[in-house]
Amino acid sequence: DVKVTQSSRYLVKRTGEKVFLECVQDMDHENMFWYRQDPGLGLRLIYFSYDVKMKEKGDIPEGYSVSREKKERFSLILESASTNQTSMYLCASTQHGWGSTEQYFGPGTRLTVT
Amino acid sequence: GESVGLHLPTLSVQEGDNSIINCAYSNSASDYFIWYKQESGKGPQFIIDIRSNMDKRQGQRVTVLLNKTVKHLSLQIAATQPGDSAVYFCAETPSSNTGKLIFGQGTTLQVKP
Repeated sequence: DVKVTQSSRYLVKRTGEKVFLECVQDMDHENMFWYRQDPGLGLRLIYFSYDVKMKEKGDIPEGYSVSREKKERFSLILESASTNQTSMYLCASTQHGWGSTEQYFGPGTRLTVT
Repeated sequence: GESVGLHLPTLSVQEGDNSIINCAYSNSASDYFIWYKQESGKGPQFIIDIRSNMDKRQGQRVTVLLNKTVKHLSLQIAATQPGDSAVYFCAETPSSNTGKLIFGQGTTLQVKP
């Protein structure tokens, strides 16, 4: 079974702190994604990566950056956390190519910025 | 722009009844569609998918219908059970090979005992 793990289930940070959210997948997937999920807005794509050291902006990249140094690990970075970044953050991965693009999700990290 | 939407934010059904969750999409070039289920406190889980060259696909107690003419997708759950209570998302894939998905806002299914 594919497993996508996220470093924390719950996180509380202060405004202005630098925050790292880590995601690891164990199925050698090429593509990895970071989403945030807010009530009434569904899942919105922040960044995605289709290879090591490659990244592309999603729909809402402002205030975030990412790092993909190893194939299995994709990190989301909040350079200076703000209260409007309080949200549920979901990581996902999928194989590269035209075939099935089912994305496998991690359990999520609920981040609260105070 | 591209968007995927669900018709109703909440659907309440009686245990044992059939449930139908609807979704409208706007990108006629999308060729792959997925339904996800998200239980409270968990990440979304794959339920069933369908390609644009099909109009129906069945799984265990679930059926997905695709109407490309009106760009409509639906998920039917037979004999709904309390364990089916969750938020259901539809998602579409634009014609690309990045695996990028566009998600709808979700429908909350509540199953009454």
